[in-house]
Amino acid sequence: DTAVSQTPKYLVTQMGNDKSIKCEQNLGHDTMYWYKQDSKKFLKIMFSYNNKELIINETVPNRFSPKSPDKAHLNLHINSLELGDSAVYFCASSQESGLADNEQFFGPGTRLTVL
Amino acid sequence: RKEVEQDPGPFNVPEGATVAFNCTYSNSASQSFFWYRQDCRKEPKLLMSVYSSGNEDGRFTAQLNRASQYISLLIRDSKLSDSATYLCVVIANSGGYQKVTFGIGTKLQVIP
Repeated sequence: DTAVSQTPKYLVTQMGNDKSIKCEQNLGHDTMYWYKQDSKKFLKIMFSYNNKELIINETVPNRFSPKSPDKAHLNLHINSLELGDSAVYFCASSQESGLADNEQFFGPGTRLTVL
Repeated sequence: RKEVEQDPGPFNVPEGATVAFNCTYSNSASQSFFWYRQDCRKEPKLLMSVYSSGNEDGRFTAQLNRASQYISLLIRDSKLSDSATYLCVVIANSGGYQKVTFGIGTKLQVIP
């Protein structure tokens, strides 16, 4: 009965590789997000999708491409991985029925290490 | 100035103490405010929403001061299990969508 799930939980890869992280939510939420939490623990939003449509794209290299096949899934594909991409990536979802209801539910995170 | 600022701490307090954190925000049009808690190597989880009238949930009290653009979190009778990082979250309408900004978090360590 996991609300927001991500796979894989850990990802260790070489520089230059291409990798994907998958995210699924079973809460029926309309909005999904990707966040990056770096080594200094700063949590920064990368993307936000509402009903499969991109609504936020913060300053993120175009090596990062989110894909939303349906509103329950938001996958993150990263091309040509760099050392600086090492971080924990969190997926989240929320039901934006109103600002007061905008609790975000986070997945467990994917710890990406680029060697 | 950062959009959302928090003192990263750490705040080391003895069990039973009362501790308060502040978080300032720069966007006067911000509309929703939350405190999240993040345990080490875990995902953030909602602790409480913050309303203009202030709200209380057990030992936790959250306040919003729109004039001075800050929110606060007060924890009374600290427990060891309160040790975590407390993240301030501010949401503003920006160009027709909701912009979510997290603070860097304030680390709390409750000591026996």
